[in-house]
Amino acid sequence: AQKITQTQPGMFVQEKEAVTLDCTYDTSDPSYGLFWYKQPSSGEMIFLIYQGSYDQQNATEGRYSLNFQKARKSANLVISASQLGDSAMYFCAMRGSMGAQKLVFGQGTRLTINP
Amino acid sequence: DTGVSQNPRHKITKRGQNVTFRCDPISEHNRLYWYRQTLGQGPEFLTYFQNEAQLEKSRLLSDRFSAERPKGSFSTLEIQRTEQGDSAMYLCASSQYPSAGGGHTIYFGEGSWLTVV
Repeated sequence: AQKITQTQPGMFVQEKEAVTLDCTYDTSDPSYGLFWYKQPSSGEMIFLIYQGSYDQQNATEGRYSLNFQKARKSANLVISASQLGDSAMYFCAMRGSMGAQKLVFGQGTRLTINP
Repeated sequence: DTGVSQNPRHKITKRGQNVTFRCDPISEHNRLYWYRQTLGQGPEFLTYFQNEAQLEKSRLLSDRFSAERPKGSFSTLEIQRTEQGDSAMYLCASSQYPSAGGGHTIYFGEGSWLTVV
């Protein structure tokens, strides 16, 4: 079975600072994908970044980067130069081997950016 | 707007009534997923379609729930004889499989909030 653990229920960060949101995972699949989504109060799940288990380099998308440490089974999201609009819930999710298409989500971290 | 579209966005219904939600995926996507999210939790998988075929259903999908995707485009999720425990947000998502680069990103809609009173 796959499991995602996000140990930070809430994070408070000053605007313009960098922030790291933690995510650890557990799976026996040799091939898997890791995702981060942002969910503002409107409810939409906004895709941020993807990391494949065989990708050699850490994924980056603009201000978002994924610190992938395969041996430690961690996939932390780093947001550089945080902005007020980054305040939202953030979910880490995993997709297993290619035959299993469902995403398994963690419980989320509520990020609040203070001006 | 070319994203995943869901309607209605909000639905309040009395216990015992039937409700139906509709999802229009991104047009070129062949896979469509339904998830349920309750307050304070991450989304939980309910079911998914590849084209018109329903390939997997979660144990969360009781007999009162039925999902269809008759022509491989839009999908409906019907809940019969609603119960208060059905109150949640129902999220639809879509993807193209296989995808270039193998990333297989899954894109979500804005969700449909259900309140059963």
